[in-house]
Amino acid sequence: DAKTTQPTSMDCAEGRAANLPCNHSTISGNEYVYWYRQIHSQGPQYIIHGLKNNETNEMASLIITEDRKSSTLILPHATLRDTAVYYCIVRLLVDTDKLIFGTGTRLQVFP
Amino acid sequence: KAGVTQTPRYLIKTRGQQVTLSCSPISGHRSVSWYQQTPGQGLQFLFEYFSETQRNKGNFPGRFSGRQFSNSRSEMNVSTLELGDSALYLCASSLGTSVETQYFGPGTRLLVL
Repeated sequence: DAKTTQPTSMDCAEGRAANLPCNHSTISGNEYVYWYRQIHSQGPQYIIHGLKNNETNEMASLIITEDRKSSTLILPHATLRDTAVYYCIVRLLVDTDKLIFGTGTRLQVFP
Repeated sequence: KAGVTQTPRYLIKTRGQQVTLSCSPISGHRSVSWYQQTPGQGLQFLFEYFSETQRNKGNFPGRFSGRQFSNSRSEMNVSTLELGDSALYLCASSLGTSVETQYFGPGTRLLVL
């Protein structure tokens, strides 16, 4: 089962910041938080990941609370092309690749 | 660098048939993982291959199998197809060492009639 909970859907006006929350209260000390998004019927696209410090890249910022029990993905200036399902994933830290996806948040950006 | 490629992109089969899907990872990536996505179950992990060995496996019946070749390309096979196998099959590749980011291909959409 997924170790994360996210709101089912959110709306955001174009040009505004989109803040997508994620709860991961059972996260272990050495587990990373990953974010992917999936635009309709395409393969999931990697966005960002972090352990305990805030992270920023050209796509988004990731804010992780100090107790690491929740995080927020921030898209600073949402565009219509950001409309997608966003998945927050706690990465199992073993030496194998296995992502456990939850149901994600469907972000709708409107004009 | 070219991304992850999957072939074919679309496929129609009938119940009882078998199907083979192919995935070519990003150059230099040694790990290939497969996922199934359906409206009812969402995205589910099937299995992962690293250096031609299955390294992890999800909770799917034995009809689902895979393999990886020495060039890291991977195939997955589904035998005795059922209607419920209709899905988007996604493959992802990574370097395969600890906590490397996985990059996904566009998927193969399989319809079983």
